[in-house]
Amino acid sequence: AQTVTQSQPEMSVQEAETVTLSCTYDTSESDYYLFWYKQPPSRQMILVIRQEAYKQQNATENRFSVNFQKAAKSFSLKISDSQLGDAAMYFCAQETNSGYALNFGKGTSLLVTP
Amino acid sequence: GAGVSQSPSNKVTEKGKDVELRCDPISGHTALYWYRQSLGQGLEFLIYFQGNSAPDKSGLPSDRFSAERTGGSVSTLTIQRTQQEDSAVYLCASSFKETSGYTFGSGTRLTVV
Repeated sequence: AQTVTQSQPEMSVQEAETVTLSCTYDTSESDYYLFWYKQPPSRQMILVIRQEAYKQQNATENRFSVNFQKAAKSFSLKISDSQLGDAAMYFCAQETNSGYALNFGKGTSLLVTP
Repeated sequence: GAGVSQSPSNKVTEKGKDVELRCDPISGHTALYWYRQSLGQGLEFLIYFQGNSAPDKSGLPSDRFSAERTGGSVSTLTIQRTQQEDSAVYLCASSFKETSGYTFGSGTRLTVV
């Protein structure tokens, strides 16, 4: 079975600092998509960034970037210049063999302190 | 509308009652998904609709759960004879392409008492 593991239930970062959230996954596929979603208290999941596995270049979206290590099946999210509005639950997700359903990790709660 | 709309936002129901949860996807998005998020857990896939194709219902946890999508747009998730373990947030999402990432609604928090 494909699994997604987020080993950090909670993380804390000071405003303007950088934080890295970890994610590992398991798959036998060679091409697939990986995603990071943010869930603030409003409950709405927001897509932060996505990575296609066959592209070796790490995806970036403004202050958000990933460190994708395909051989290690690792997909960490780096948030630079953290802002108070970044406080939320962050979920790592992997495209399943179906090509449409996602497997999600259990999430990392990020606290941003002034 | 501009986003995925779900109603009701919150629903409290008595054990054994039936409930209907509604999802209105983004116009033009042919793919629609339902997920369940239990307390402290990640998201669990329930069902997938794509255009006029037969839905993938493989994630539905029991035959008390059913879903339909009318006219390729609005979807309704129905839970019959609700149980306390059905208490969760039910999230709907839609997408134009499956690999482009989903747009989620704000979910329905279902509490079975």
